[in-house]
Amino acid sequence: GDSVTQMEGPVTLSEEAFLTINCTYTATGYPSLFWYVQYPGEGLQLLLKATKADDKGSNKGFEATYRKETTSFHLEKGSVQVSDSAVYFCALSDVSGTYKYIFGTGTRLKVLA
Amino acid sequence: ETGVTQTPRHLVMGMTNKKSLKCEQHLGHNAMYWYKQSAKKPLELMFVYNFKEQTENNSVPSRFSPECPNSSHLFLHLHTLQPEDSALYLCASSPGGTGNSPLHFGNGTRLTVT
Repeated sequence: GDSVTQMEGPVTLSEEAFLTINCTYTATGYPSLFWYVQYPGEGLQLLLKATKADDKGSNKGFEATYRKETTSFHLEKGSVQVSDSAVYFCALSDVSGTYKYIFGTGTRLKVLA
Repeated sequence: ETGVTQTPRHLVMGMTNKKSLKCEQHLGHNAMYWYKQSAKKPLELMFVYNFKEQTENNSVPSRFSPECPNSSHLFLHLHTLQPEDSALYLCASSPGGTGNSPLHFGNGTRLTVT
């Protein structure tokens, strides 16, 4: 079945460092791909998305490119801030109409001042 | 304001209690979901409703009983739960149709079973 694999955390960085969180997926069709962020005590919020190969999603300085050839959707940010500390989830959706959204295990990011 | 509101935010219940979680969405969406979030595990899809019809029951124990009276409201009725059911329960909604649209989540109900 469809699945999402994320790098293990936690990831600890200093402020202004470069961030990469790896995400790879397995899917039988052509899913849409998403990154969500979860701050303490809250639900998941959409960070960015891409719906087809080579699409680049971007938001708040974060970017991710849908790579069909490597089945990847890595999250990057050039300069992280303390306020970016949160848990990040990679997800895919089955576009065949079954309403299934598959999530990775989440990667905790801690940014130190 | 997330557009998806869950109540209560926190719930402590004994194993013999009966309680219900409530979710309401103000986004005009047609599909609603229950997810379970436990520490160090992927989000577990529990139930999906599309236009009030249940389209997914992901092998959830019968002590969890969903109810979707209309496209805006979703309930999760709980009875005779086990301590391992303690988790964050997240409600989400989506427009329905294709999977190109993202899910919109509520802030969750933190459930503790004693």
